[in-house]
Amino acid sequence: DQQVKQNSPSLSVQEGRISILNCDYTNSMFDYFLWYKKYPAEGPTFLISISSIKDKNEDGRFTVFLNKSAKHLSLHIVPSQPGDSAVYFCAASYAGGTSYGKLTFGQGTILTVHP
Amino acid sequence: GAVVSQHPSWVICKSGTSVKIECRSLDFQATTMFWYRQFPKQSLMLMATSNEGSKATYEQGVEKDKFLINHASLTLSTLTVTSAHPEDSSFYICSATGQGSNIQYFGAGTRLSVL
Repeated sequence: DQQVKQNSPSLSVQEGRISILNCDYTNSMFDYFLWYKKYPAEGPTFLISISSIKDKNEDGRFTVFLNKSAKHLSLHIVPSQPGDSAVYFCAASYAGGTSYGKLTFGQGTILTVHP
Repeated sequence: GAVVSQHPSWVICKSGTSVKIECRSLDFQATTMFWYRQFPKQSLMLMATSNEGSKATYEQGVEKDKFLINHASLTLSTLTVTSAHPEDSSFYICSATGQGSNIQYFGAGTRLSVL
């Protein structure tokens, strides 16, 4: 049962344009969402997060939007740069009992930004 | 952001031997550490959660006698793959989180190859 889904395995964007990465979840108990960036043979790097009490969080070029009714979140990168090319994972967690702090990851989306 | 160091980054061992992987939080106290495994082109799969001074909690299907986890201090957790076999070959990644934090910071990962 895939509770967090990234339905687009890959995304290709021109440098300077906007990259939009999408993520859907099924578990309504999730109350915290994160985006990580990962290069091959490296650990994920934390990018940005959002609590379920918000619908938007912005940090520099990165903005995360949360639509709780649709159980959907997205990561916007503006403007996209070639160095942004990596695998992006969304993750979700909830502060419930023994599950506190545990992250459930999506499958990842490979972003390629062309010069 | 917080720094998590993982060592070694790559290890090759013979079948039947044991391998220890270290995970250290360098600039914060990690009350909880997580161990993940990633197969090629797949997402991160949580293996176990460890809290400092407590026994690790293993995910369903993960053999606790095979993957020994020790979290003896607030800055160090170790994963020992006992009697490793070729099917244990994988990319192992640790993460750490501080008290009251929802954000996991990841190590760089360890590539284990069992011959």
